[in-house]
Amino acid sequence: GNSVTQMEGPVTLSEEAFLTINCTYTATGYPSLFWYVQYPGEGLQLLLKATKADDKGSNKGFEATYRKETTSFHLEKGSVQVSDSAVYFCALQTGANSKLTFGKGITLSVRP
Amino acid sequence: DTAVSQTPKYLVTQMGNDKSIKCEQNLGHDTMYWYKQDSKKFLKIMFSYNNKELIINETVPNRFSPKSPDKAHLNLHINSLELGDSAVYFCASSQPLQDSPLHFGNGTRLTVT
Repeated sequence: GNSVTQMEGPVTLSEEAFLTINCTYTATGYPSLFWYVQYPGEGLQLLLKATKADDKGSNKGFEATYRKETTSFHLEKGSVQVSDSAVYFCALQTGANSKLTFGKGITLSVRP
Repeated sequence: DTAVSQTPKYLVTQMGNDKSIKCEQNLGHDTMYWYKQDSKKFLKIMFSYNNKELIINETVPNRFSPKSPDKAHLNLHINSLELGDSAVYFCASSQPLQDSPLHFGNGTRLTVT
């Protein structure tokens, strides 16, 4: 079956620090990969996605590269801001109408 | 305009009661979902409907019954509420394509006392 493993949290960083959040996956078939972000009191929203090997998804200064050889999709940002404080979820999907499999999520707190 | 809207935002009720949560999307999507998020932020899919037909039904107690009167609405009815049902419930919608992202509502925080 499909599964997504995220690094344990929470993560606390100072503003302008470099961020890496690790995500690895196992999947039957050829998955599409996603990062979702959940700000306090809100639902999840798509941050970025990649649909094939070596694709790089990017948005709001965040990036993640689909690495088939290491089955990874690590999220990075060069300089975090206080407004990036949120819960981040890695997810995958194989096939239309199949369920989206989420990782456990990781809470990021950024200090001024 | 809110794309996926859920009501109510908060729901506090006693054990044994029956309650409903409503969801509507104005994105023209064919597929809608219900997810449960526990206190540790873990997300678990409960149900998925495509064009009013049930396509995913995870291991969820029979006390939970989804209803989709049309493809823009997916409601969740819960009978005989238990303490363990306390969680945040999220509705979402998408197109039935592999790389089509989900659009989530802002959640309904259910507290059972």
